[in-house]
Amino acid sequence: DTAVSQTPKYLVTQMGNDKSIKCEQNLGHDTMYWYKQDSKKFLKIMFSYNNKELIINETVPNRFSPKSPDKAHLNLHINSLELGDSAVYFCASSQPLRGQPHSPLHFGNGTRLTVT
Amino acid sequence: QQPVQSPQAVILREGEDAVINCSSSKALYSVHWYRQKHGEAPVFLMILLKGGEQKGHEKISASFNEKKQQSSLYLTASQLSYSGTYFCGTRGTSYGKLTFGQGTILTVHP
Repeated sequence: DTAVSQTPKYLVTQMGNDKSIKCEQNLGHDTMYWYKQDSKKFLKIMFSYNNKELIINETVPNRFSPKSPDKAHLNLHINSLELGDSAVYFCASSQPLRGQPHSPLHFGNGTRLTVT
Repeated sequence: QQPVQSPQAVILREGEDAVINCSSSKALYSVHWYRQKHGEAPVFLMILLKGGEQKGHEKISASFNEKKQQSSLYLTASQLSYSGTYFCGTRGTSYGKLTFGQGTILTVHP
């Protein structure tokens, strides 16, 4: 009965490779996010989708491309991986309710990406 | 713009109290508080809306001073389970993005 699940949990790859991280939520939420947490624990938003539509696109290199096939899934594809991409990537979801947009974020368990 | 948390780290003994502050240079609509244990995902604690609301969650409560654009998280009679990194997240508008502070590491010793 996992609410927000990400795969894989760990990802070790070499520079220049392309990799994907998958995220699924079974909470029925309309909004999904990708956050990057660096080695200093700083949580930075990358993308946000609402009902499959991109609504937040932070200053992220074009090598990162999110895709939302439906509102329960948000995947992240990364091309030409670089050393600086090493981090923990968290998927999250929320359900802004009508008149109450301030709903909490539910995070997945994270994907630890290590680029060598 | 990223909110600023203080202190960066706190070390407590069980039963002691702590306060974590979160300040923003911009007008705030809401403040979220999350706790992240080592190797785990951040977990939601509470949301505060502009209006100076104070909320509680067991022995953890928080306040929001709209004029000062600050929020404070109060942990009373700390328990070992309170250890972790606490993050505040702020929104400038109702549907704006949630921007997190740099985190405050709380360690509770027996």
